[in-house]
Amino acid sequence: KQEVTQIPAALSVPEGENLVLNCSFTDSAIYNLQWFRQDPGKGLTSLLLIQSSQREQTSGRLNASLDKSSGRSTLYIAASQPGDSATYLCAVLSGGGQFYFGTGTSLTVIP
Amino acid sequence: GAVVSQHPSRVICKSGTSVKIECRSLDFQATTMFWYRQFPKQSLMLMATSNEGSKATYEQGVEKDKFLINHASLTLSTLTVTSAHPEDSSFYICSAKDRATEAFFGQGTRLTVV
Repeated sequence: KQEVTQIPAALSVPEGENLVLNCSFTDSAIYNLQWFRQDPGKGLTSLLLIQSSQREQTSGRLNASLDKSSGRSTLYIAASQPGDSATYLCAVLSGGGQFYFGTGTSLTVIP
Repeated sequence: GAVVSQHPSRVICKSGTSVKIECRSLDFQATTMFWYRQFPKQSLMLMATSNEGSKATYEQGVEKDKFLINHASLTLSTLTVTSAHPEDSSFYICSAKDRATEAFFGQGTRLTVV
């Protein structure tokens, strides 16, 4: 069974810092990997989607990488802002269409 | 990407009542739909998988008589929480896929049972 782990569980950084969130998964047979943002009490906002054949995706200040063979993905956030404070989830999509979610990283950006 | 609409986004109900959550695929035929839930400070966990016209397959520990799933058409799946109790308060979210592998999420439903 696929297991997805995120490190760290929580992170607090001063505004302006660059930061990296880590995601690892045990089964490399994935269709794609997505990074989501979840604000307290809210739903999921998709940030970046990396297909299994890709190695990275970029959107604005966000860059996500994927190393399928080693079962790792990172989300890089440049020049962090207080508005980036949220929980970040990574999820891998299996060939059967089911998502496996990580445990999440709670990010706090201090003004 | 494809659009999946989930309704309602928030619902508050009294203990003992039943609540129905709808998940619709708006621009594709969803042969399979998945229901997830998220308890406070935990990640999303799969509850059940439903294929159109078939009975849902429930994950271990999920009560099928309490969480009724109906996937009667290729564009609609419903999750009914029967005789809801405060411990059922959670965030429920569906995802839908067509015959390809890509899957898309609904917006989620925040259920509060008082």
